[in-house]
Amino acid sequence: GAGVSQSPSNKVTEKGKDVELRCDPISGHTALYWYRQSLGQGLEFLIYFQGNSAPDKSGLPSDRFSAERTGGSVSTLTIQRTQQEDSAVYLCATTASHSYNEQFFGPGTRLTVL
Amino acid sequence: GQSLEQPSEVTAVEGAIVQINCTYQTSGFYGLSWYQQHDGGAPTFLSYNALDGLEETGRFSSFLSRSDSYGYLLLQELQMKDSASYFCAGRNRDDKIIFGKGTRLHILP
Repeated sequence: GAGVSQSPSNKVTEKGKDVELRCDPISGHTALYWYRQSLGQGLEFLIYFQGNSAPDKSGLPSDRFSAERTGGSVSTLTIQRTQQEDSAVYLCATTASHSYNEQFFGPGTRLTVL
Repeated sequence: GQSLEQPSEVTAVEGAIVQINCTYQTSGFYGLSWYQQHDGGAPTFLSYNALDGLEETGRFSSFLSRSDSYGYLLLQELQMKDSASYFCAGRNRDDKIIFGKGTRLHILP
């Protein structure tokens, strides 16, 4: 596809389970960002990648959160031992190297932790 | 630290003009971007100001004053479909992009 895609679109899990969220960027986009958005709230920065490297992991809420990117393409965000406060929409965005100020967002993954 | 401040809500009348302000506290932001997000949707890019001054794109304009660490988004000839949340965002020298908390725009008929 031409846009950023994310999977799954919805995920319902039980407290304590691990979840993995996936982001497929626009082909050739070098930078990839993960954000979290709770209902009616702003975008909380989690982590971003330049290629496969993550220069800034300061936004990850706890050590239960981790992310990786392979081949400068697909990225996965993993949340271990999920808690109810992890419930939110997780958004992925990518940018082209020549236009870092325009982000293209995926549709998001809505995570619900019961 | 880096942060961007926006009003949480703004209300305007259909057909009118509305301005959404954004102030930021940081050094080294490379310009200001604006995004629109409808309920249940993902943010979409509206505009970017790298330099001081006004950028116009149709009914939407965006302004930046780097010396004042201030910018705004101006929406003209408001339509009901403009009801959404609007976010300002700044990119630092390390390409980290930070968003404001967003401004909810309510449009009255």
